[in-house]
Amino acid sequence: AQSVAQPEDQVNVAEGNPLTVKCTYSVSGNPYLFWYVQYPNRGLQFLLKYITGDNLVKGSYGFEAEFNKSQTSFHLKKPSALVSDSALYFCAVRDVGSGAGSYQLTFGKGTKLSVIP
Amino acid sequence: IAGITQAPTSQILAAGRRMTLRCTQDMRHNAMYWYRQDLGLGLRLIHYSNTAGTTGKGEVPDGYSVSRANTDDFPLTLASAVPSQTSVYFCASSDSRVHEQFFGPGTRLTVL
Repeated sequence: AQSVAQPEDQVNVAEGNPLTVKCTYSVSGNPYLFWYVQYPNRGLQFLLKYITGDNLVKGSYGFEAEFNKSQTSFHLKKPSALVSDSALYFCAVRDVGSGAGSYQLTFGKGTKLSVIP
Repeated sequence: IAGITQAPTSQILAAGRRMTLRCTQDMRHNAMYWYRQDLGLGLRLIHYSNTAGTTGKGEVPDGYSVSRANTDDFPLTLASAVPSQTSVYFCASSDSRVHEQFFGPGTRLTVL
């Protein structure tokens, strides 16, 4: 079974400061990891993914995430937060060993990011 | 290119009524999904389809049914709606070459 934990329901950060949104995962095999963002009354938008290779992944809007296998974490980061980054962020995992043809993702409960001007 | 479209955008429904939420994708993705999003619970998978002609149950399938007659369409049916099915419903699709899922804009359903 695969699972994702986002330990913080809400993160507040001042504009211009670095931000981190935390995510830890559990899988039986190797993980594919994803971050999505959701703005109010909108669907989820893909930000970035880790499939294999470099542990530091860069994505849209200046976001990046670091895959840490020993800590089973995939925290989302941005060096300088913008007010427009305020949104709901979801981490998701797919267990690569879950079987051929199985593409299902398991999502965390989401973290609300508020960037304060 | 539209990506994924969902209809209706929102709906208020009397309990006991039958309702079908529509989802269409134009990306020729093999896999499609239905999620419900509820405050504090995140996204929960209702049903999925790995390829046309096949479907599977997700985490919360009770009270819902799906069909996948072709690659593009993946309707979700509530046979007899109940108030606990009040939620925002998202359809998504993915392809084995791309890995990530692409989401539609959602349907806000209220069952009274």
